[in-house]
Amino acid sequence: GQQVMQIPQYQHVQEGEDFTTYCNSSTTLSNIQWYKQRPGGHPVFLIQLVKSGEVKKQKRLTFQFGEAKKNSSLHITATQTTDVGTYFCAARLYNNNDMRFGAGTRLTVKP
Amino acid sequence: DTEVTQTPKHLVMGMTNKKSLKCEQHMGHRAMYWYKQKAKKPPELMFVYSYEKLSINESVPSRFSPECPNSSLLNLHLHALQPEDSALYLCASSHRVLADGGQYFGPGTRLLVL
Repeated sequence: GQQVMQIPQYQHVQEGEDFTTYCNSSTTLSNIQWYKQRPGGHPVFLIQLVKSGEVKKQKRLTFQFGEAKKNSSLHITATQTTDVGTYFCAARLYNNNDMRFGAGTRLTVKP
Repeated sequence: DTEVTQTPKHLVMGMTNKKSLKCEQHMGHRAMYWYKQKAKKPPELMFVYSYEKLSINESVPSRFSPECPNSSLLNLHLHALQPEDSALYLCASSHRVLADGGQYFGPGTRLLVL
């Protein structure tokens, strides 16, 4: 079945460094959503991307949707310890009612 | 109210027990979901309800039985579970199944099957 590949699996950075996680699909997506899950917590919705080539920003977070709507990225500028957690992408195919989560990227930040 | 609540927070049950997980939202959302999440893994979709009707069942074993009594409530009835069913069970809701906008997740029920 459809898989959403997310890399890297883990990322350890020094506070102040940048961080990027990528999601890729072999088929065109209807939309893609990004979630953050803190350790011991539940996923929290961050943003949804729908349009080809779309770029959205939330403070230090930048989200991109590829021109072909098959890939997406989340970039964090100047990480802080509060950014620690697992970042998941969740993708919906066209003509499909459900979403598939990527495997997640676990971010740790060293102060 | 932008919260999804789930009870209980923790549950320990034997393989012969019957228990129920409960989920509630008052955001007027008409789509509700059950997910299962194992440690260090992404959430796995189990069931989707749209306007109180089951629209997706991801080949979940019959020992899991969902129920949607009304637009605000979602239950998951558990019977004769196996130890491998131990996981975090997450409920989520959204405006509609195919609508724009994300899913709001509850805090989850941590289930341990002995």
